[in-house]
Amino acid sequence: DGGITQSPKYLFRKEGQNVTLSCEQNLNHDAMYWYRQDPGQGLRLIYYSQIVNDFQKGDIAEGYSVSREKKESFPLTVTSAQKNPTAFYLCASSLGSVGELFFGEGSRLTVL
Amino acid sequence: ILNVEQSPQSLHVQEGDSTNFTCSFPSSNFYALHWYRWETAKSPEALFVMTLNGDEKKKGRISATLNTKEGYSYLYIKGSQPEDSATYLCASNTGKLIFGQGTTLQVKP
Repeated sequence: DGGITQSPKYLFRKEGQNVTLSCEQNLNHDAMYWYRQDPGQGLRLIYYSQIVNDFQKGDIAEGYSVSREKKESFPLTVTSAQKNPTAFYLCASSLGSVGELFFGEGSRLTVL
Repeated sequence: ILNVEQSPQSLHVQEGDSTNFTCSFPSSNFYALHWYRWETAKSPEALFVMTLNGDEKKKGRISATLNTKEGYSYLYIKGSQPEDSATYLCASNTGKLIFGQGTTLQVKP
């Protein structure tokens, strides 16, 4: 079945460690996105990519990094520079830059 | 309006009631307005993507309208059912997709 796969679903990290969240899609979508959700807040855009080998910062990119070496994959690295990384992370993709988003099931990161 | 704002933040209705939510968004550099439904333990799913001023879209008992000149969209649910309980998100596309905080709907049987 076509869709978006995020892994891991749950992740625990010690302070000071980098961690990479995986996002893979087999929908042949050009655009991919990473959002973060905190309790009581909406989805906030971290990074997005509209084409392979290109990506742009969203509203809260500090402390995060991404790569887009393949169309299907858009991994997100949460670095030790991210001051408050405990959150729920959602990856999404769309056929074009205006089309509806298709979301993964999310990854919940907890920093101990 | 610089942000996407949704109201109310939460809503509790009885089964059979009709309800509506509001989404306000920046009217400049507008490309599209999205509505998503996010049920607990599931991924958000698209309800509507609207681009033209005056657009009206309908899916079963749910419909939405769009006013790009004044920067607002309404989502209507007719005859709410318990399975409609979810968080409803709107998002404005001005080159990137910016989400509102959502409206959480609880429908009591």
